[in-house]
Amino acid sequence: DIQMTQSPSSLSASVGDRVTITCRASQSITTYLNWYQQKPGKAPKLLIYAASSLQSGVPSRFSGSGSGTDFTLTISSLQPEDFATYSCQQSYGTPFSFGPGTKVDIQ
Amino acid sequence: QVQLVESGGALVKPGGSLRLSCAASGFTVSDYYMTWIRQAPGKGLEWVSYISSSGSTIYYADSVKGRFTISRDHAKNSLYLQMNNLRADDTAVYYCVRRYYSSGSPHDAFDTWGQGTMVTVSS
Repeated sequence: DIQMTQSPSSLSASVGDRVTITCRASQSITTYLNWYQQKPGKAPKLLIYAASSLQSGVPSRFSGSGSGTDFTLTISSLQPEDFATYSCQQSYGTPFSFGPGTKVDIQ
Repeated sequence: QVQLVESGGALVKPGGSLRLSCAASGFTVSDYYMTWIRQAPGKGLEWVSYISSSGSTIYYADSVKGRFTISRDHAKNSLYLQMNNLRADDTAVYYCVRRYYSSGSPHDAFDTWGQGTMVTVSS
């Protein structure tokens, strides 16, 4: 099974900050990597698919990069509505697995 | 408007059974791979099961294999999860999720989520 890890587990940031979250897979998953945003009490929302493609309707301040085992999600200028938990997920093979999440809160 | 609405969550005793339902609108369930994903309180997301668009391929996480059964009803445009022999560690919010899948392409992601339904297993 493919294990996903994320760092950091949480971070505090201010509006306007550039934020980078890292995700690592236990084996190569090429670009079968997705990123989700989840707010408290709500369902996750797809932000980035195939490592770097922006889901329709998602603001362009979100971007993704990486391939193989190492990936990053970047928020270029943090907005108030971006305070949430971000999780990566591999779709390379079953069982599909998620990272433990990175909570982004207000500094 | 593409939408998924789950129902059926409840408080159930260990060893009990429950059937979750998911009604889809705005698209046809049998045109997509459909999945169930769960999230225990304060924990991360865990994929549970999926059924292919043809219905010929079904996968389960090891943690639920032999206890849970995924199915769908084309006429009702709905997805189901029959859960038997429930355990305390099955306690979670269960999400019905559409999987966008294109064979051979890394564009393979969970693009539409329901609001979730809570299952609590406790005596």
